[in-house]
Amino acid sequence: DTGVSQDPRHKITKRGQNVTFRCDPISEHNRLYWYRQTLGQGPEFLTYFQNEAQLEKSRLLSDRFSAERPKGSFSTLEIQRTEQGDSAMYLCASSHQDRGYEQYFGPGTRLTVT
Amino acid sequence: DQQVKQNSPSLSVQEGRISILNCDYTNSMFDYFLWYKKYPAEGPTFLISISSIKDKNEDGRFTVFLNKSAKHLSLHIVPSQPGDSAVYFCAASARPTDSWGKLQFGAGTQVVVTP
Repeated sequence: DTGVSQDPRHKITKRGQNVTFRCDPISEHNRLYWYRQTLGQGPEFLTYFQNEAQLEKSRLLSDRFSAERPKGSFSTLEIQRTEQGDSAMYLCASSHQDRGYEQYFGPGTRLTVT
Repeated sequence: DQQVKQNSPSLSVQEGRISILNCDYTNSMFDYFLWYKKYPAEGPTFLISISSIKDKNEDGRFTVFLNKSAKHLSLHIVPSQPGDSAVYFCAASARPTDSWGKLQFGAGTQVVVTP
């Protein structure tokens, strides 16, 4: 299966701890996106990469959040000093550059901060 | 600010009948619109899209209508099937090309198809 994969699927952490999530996009896709979804809301854009370049970041992405895509393949999203308000589903998506609007989503990582 | 709005959080429809989901937007720069479908414990799945130069796009049982003057789009599912029970998200994207990745989503509509 060559769909978008995310790891871990669930993460429970204590407030103040750092967490890191991984996303593996569809192999031929050069764009990768991170979204956050809270209960009762649609996904909210966080950031996206074209190859290894991070092209846009939302104001939602505070300085506690950092995302990387070092070799233009998989990506990591790190949250430092987690807060309870960070509890959400973190979704990764990928697309081909020429059809950036047709994004293929992974199953998400559900983060619970206690 | 919520630039894409789905004002109906839920919709119940009988199997075989038409499901109509509505979506409104406020940003006149949006020029591409999409519908995604989401089952529990899965990520959203792309369903159908429409460019702002069209007013209708059809794909099997799914048809999307766009009314640019009203900043309104709708998704019609005919006939509705039990497997269509899911959350449906409306999303929009604006040019220029280097921002084509930033989808803005509505809050979703939960569709339940009853036998």
